[in-house]
Amino acid sequence: EAGVVQSPRYKIIEKKQPVAFWCNPISGHNTLYWYRQNLGQGPELLIRYENEEAVDDSQLPKDRFSAERLKGVDSTLKIQPAELGDSAVYLCASSPRGDTEAFFGQGTRLTVV
Amino acid sequence: QKEVEQNSGPLSVPEGAIASLNCTYSDRGSQSFFWYRQYSGKSPELIMSIYSNGDKEDGRFTAQLNKASQYVSLLIRDSQPSDSATYLCAVNNYQLIWGAGTKLIIKP
Repeated sequence: EAGVVQSPRYKIIEKKQPVAFWCNPISGHNTLYWYRQNLGQGPELLIRYENEEAVDDSQLPKDRFSAERLKGVDSTLKIQPAELGDSAVYLCASSPRGDTEAFFGQGTRLTVV
Repeated sequence: QKEVEQNSGPLSVPEGAIASLNCTYSDRGSQSFFWYRQYSGKSPELIMSIYSNGDKEDGRFTAQLNKASQYVSLLIRDSQPSDSATYLCAVNNYQLIWGAGTKLIIKP
């Protein structure tokens, strides 16, 4: 069974430029998470989807971040414009439903210069 | 504010010994509990799930849950150098709350 697939693996951009990350969850998983992780810290939730509905986006910086999960399958996270402080690893995870374990993709390491 | 607390470490354990990792949580309504292992530069990988009080064993790993005291622990028996990683505790009650992780070092 294929795991959670994310792309790209690495991205270097200049500040004020836009960037997008893509995630394809495990087939049949209704819950999809986007996390941001800084070195030495646990994952920080940005947004959680149940199917195509964003049920928790309270930590998403909505002035510059946006996300979508069309048709309740794959998802895209966008940052526009990027700031230096956005440099981090962006992780996508999925689970069969919201109260079960989550499985992570390989992550995207973003560097904003 | 729902919180999950872990000692950041590093926790240094001799090879072959038992490594004990602890996690406390603030939300009494939490229903499911997870331990993840994260190697440097890699994504978190699920190693144990536990849903009811008591012990759950899987190979060299044992998860222990005490809901009354609001803690969950992970024991690693016969520790190997390959167990050196950061161990993340996650607690779920309609939302998944993460600890910052404990860095474990197994010394040969």
